[in-house]
Amino acid sequence: DGGITQSPKYLFRKEGQNVTLSCEQNLNHDAMYWYRQDPGQGLRLIYYSQIVNDFQKGDIAEGYSVSREKKESFPLTVTSAQKNPTAFYLCASSRDRGGISPLHFGNGTRLTVT
Amino acid sequence: GENVEQHPSTLSVQEGDSAVIKCTYSDSASNYFPWYKQELGKGPQLIIDIRSNVGEKKDQRIAVTLNKTAKHFSLHITETQPEDSAVYFCAATPSSNFGNEKLTFGTGTRLTIIP
Repeated sequence: DGGITQSPKYLFRKEGQNVTLSCEQNLNHDAMYWYRQDPGQGLRLIYYSQIVNDFQKGDIAEGYSVSREKKESFPLTVTSAQKNPTAFYLCASSRDRGGISPLHFGNGTRLTVT
Repeated sequence: GENVEQHPSTLSVQEGDSAVIKCTYSDSASNYFPWYKQELGKGPQLIIDIRSNVGEKKDQRIAVTLNKTAKHFSLHITETQPEDSAVYFCAATPSSNFGNEKLTFGTGTRLTIIP
């Protein structure tokens, strides 16, 4: 079954620690995305990658970093510089550029930082 | 950049009735308008999409209409069922940034179907 796998589902960290969220896809999609979801604010784009070894900042990239060393994997690191890291994080992929073809989402990771 | 507004934020309808969710967008160059459904604890899933060269699209009980002049598009769900209860997101993509298109999402509508 093809899809997007995000792990873990729940993640707890102390303030000041960096944390990495995993995202793997077996859809053979070129493009991958990270979104942040907060209540009442919809989905906001953090970073995206249209091809291996290349990625672009989204609308709220500050305090986050990514890498795209393999087509299947697009991990997101939430650094201690992110002022308000507690949120629900969604990874997605698309066959073509995400603005013009459907996004396939994982089931998310809920990060709580205390 | 693109701005997408979505209304209402919450909607409750009796089972069997119809539900309508509306979105407006700001960039007249936008040309792709998907709708996503998100069930509790899961990621959003595409349910229907429309491109700017089409005014209406249907898929069984779901339809989307697009009014380019007024810059708004709507999701229509007929004969609602309990499994339609979820959060629905609209989105839009401007074509003005070719090669770097990004979806802009609305803030979501929580739809509750009352049995």
